[in-house]
Amino acid sequence: AQKVTQAQTEISVVEKEDVTLDCVYETRDTTYYLFWYKQPPSGELVFLIRRNSFDEQNEISGRYSWNFQKSTSSFNFTITASQVVDSAVYFCALSDGQGGKLIFGQGTELSVKP
Amino acid sequence: DTAVSQTPKYLVTQMGNDKSIKCEQNLGHDTMYWYKQDSKKFLKIMFSYNNKELIINETVPNRFSPKSPDKAHLNLHINSLELGDSAVYFCASSLLIADQETQYFGPGTRLLVL
Repeated sequence: AQKVTQAQTEISVVEKEDVTLDCVYETRDTTYYLFWYKQPPSGELVFLIRRNSFDEQNEISGRYSWNFQKSTSSFNFTITASQVVDSAVYFCALSDGQGGKLIFGQGTELSVKP
Repeated sequence: DTAVSQTPKYLVTQMGNDKSIKCEQNLGHDTMYWYKQDSKKFLKIMFSYNNKELIINETVPNRFSPKSPDKAHLNLHINSLELGDSAVYFCASSLLIADQETQYFGPGTRLLVL
């Protein structure tokens, strides 16, 4: 069965600190996709990144970076120099990539204080 | 300009009523989804349609009936509403082509059953 675990329920940091959100997944599929979504206080779900199982290259986008390691079944998300606007709930998700459902983790609520 | 839209944004109703939520996407996607987010922010798939055909039907009470009149629309009708149906319902869409299956979400419909 597929499963996504985000062990950190809540994280609180002070602005400009770096923060890493952990995501561990379980799947028996050889082809799969991993995602991160952001849900700010306004409530919408914003797509951040998609990674397929064959691409273990790390990705950087501005202050955001993602570390995908198949050996540990992890897809961690780091925010560098956090800002108050980064405060949100962040969800990691997994799909089999065949029009299938997204399996979401429980979400990590990040609070960035000024 | 809106990619995935849902109406209404808020819905407050009495137990036992029947209500519908509408979803439309203008992304040219062929697959649409309904997800439910409960009070603990846990997100779970309910239904998925590909080219107007039902492809995912999770264990959802049959009081919930999705309808897809065309590829761009997926509506959700709920009969005999119960207190436990209170949640945020998200519509999403994607393109069922390998390596392009990112799901984009609507703004959500906040349903409160009194």
